[in-house]
Amino acid sequence: EPEVTQTPSHQVTQMGQEVILRCVPISNHLYFYWYRQILGQKVEFLVSFYNNEISEKSEIFDDQFSVERPDGSNFTLKIRSTKLEDSAMYFCASSGILYEQYFGPGTRLTVT
Amino acid sequence: AQKITQTQPGMFVQEKEAVTLDCTYDTSDPSYGLFWYKQPSSGEMIFLIYQGSYDQQNATEGRYSLNFQKARKSANLVISASQLGDSAMYFCAMREGRFRGGSEKLVFGKGTKLTVNP
Repeated sequence: EPEVTQTPSHQVTQMGQEVILRCVPISNHLYFYWYRQILGQKVEFLVSFYNNEISEKSEIFDDQFSVERPDGSNFTLKIRSTKLEDSAMYFCASSGILYEQYFGPGTRLTVT
Repeated sequence: AQKITQTQPGMFVQEKEAVTLDCTYDTSDPSYGLFWYKQPSSGEMIFLIYQGSYDQQNATEGRYSLNFQKARKSANLVISASQLGDSAMYFCAMREGRFRGGSEKLVFGKGTKLTVNP
């Protein structure tokens, strides 16, 4: 069964460093998303991507964040100059012509 | 205002019994959808079931069913014959807006922690 994959599973970085989180969505899906979940809290939407451009972003998704689909398969989230409060689980998700959104296993980002 | 409300922070159920997890939602969009996800302690988000606002029948997927009451704006998840492996956090979520060119983002509730006792 097709699935969304994410790498790395866990990333530890120092405050101020840049990180890139990688995702491979399900191959025939059209819509791609990043969400985050701070430990013990609910899942929050960051950004959606469709037709090679951002279709919506939340107020969390400021200039520190960017997304890219560099080729036909990968979807990346870049966080510049990480802060302690960026520590969270980051989920990539994708959906196709049906509405179901499938999530990847997540990348746990720890900023020290 | 909260778009998705899950009023049960924690629920307990005996193995093999059924359990209902509550979810109410708030939207003025005529086209929307409700999702349920399971998050075990390992952290991944597992899609369980989806109900569209125009769907005539309540959604079912194996032991999961969605009790969709549109007038009450509720979309409760029913798990039949609970198993120990069902112990996890359960999140209700809503999408809005595809037909308005929306982004399909999901808005999540705060979750319900289900514990299945042997």
